Amino acid sequence: AQSVTQLDSQVPVFEEAPVELRCNYSSSVSVYLFWYVQYPNQGLQLLLKYLSGSTLVKGINGFEAEFNKSQTSFHLRKPSVHISDTAEYFCAVSGNRGGADGLTFGKGTHLIIQP
Amino acid sequence: EPEVTQTPSHQVTQMGQEVILRCVPISNHLYFYWYRQILGQKVEFLVSFYNNEISEKSEIFDDQFSVERPDGSNFTLKIRSTKLEDSAMYFCATPKTSGSIEQFFGPGTRLTVL
Repeated sequence: AQSVTQLDSQVPVFEEAPVELRCNYSSSVSVYLFWYVQYPNQGLQLLLKYLSGSTLVKGINGFEAEFNKSQTSFHLRKPSVHISDTAEYFCAVSGNRGGADGLTFGKGTHLIIQP
Repeated sequence: EPEVTQTPSHQVTQMGQEVILRCVPISNHLYFYWYRQILGQKVEFLVSFYNNEISEKSEIFDDQFSVERPDGSNFTLKIRSTKLEDSAMYFCATPKTSGSIEQFFGPGTRLTVL
């Protein structure tokens, strides 16, 4: 079984400032890691994923994340945020059984961009 | 960008009634998933469905829930006797491409149980 912890329920940031959203996971098996974004009243959109290989992964909208196996973390970063980045961000993990595993989500972090 | 469509977008029902939520996923994929998000809470996995059989299900997916693929394209989630606590957004998802790991989510159905 897996679990995901997003320590910050809410992160306020000024526009054009950098941001880091934290995600830690626990699992007894190798995992795949994801970040999803949910804009108000919309579904989930995949930002980026880590499956294997380079631990630094880049996604859409200028976001990137770094997989750290020793710290069991997958923090999301953006060097300069925009008002349009205001949304809920979910970190998720799945086991490594191909498509058989459902995703386990964290509780989400609400990113609030202040002008 | 491939699409997953869900109908209805909003369903209001009385407690104890049956509801059927529908999903038309990306075609030609064998894996389908249903998730639930209670208002203000995290997204929770309900069930995965592979080749017309349940592959994995969570503790939430009790006997009140069932999934079917009634034809080659639609994929349904049925709640037999709804309870107030079933009020939530329900999302279906499929792999983005055949054999891929990442899941592509539909826009969701908002279920309100009165």
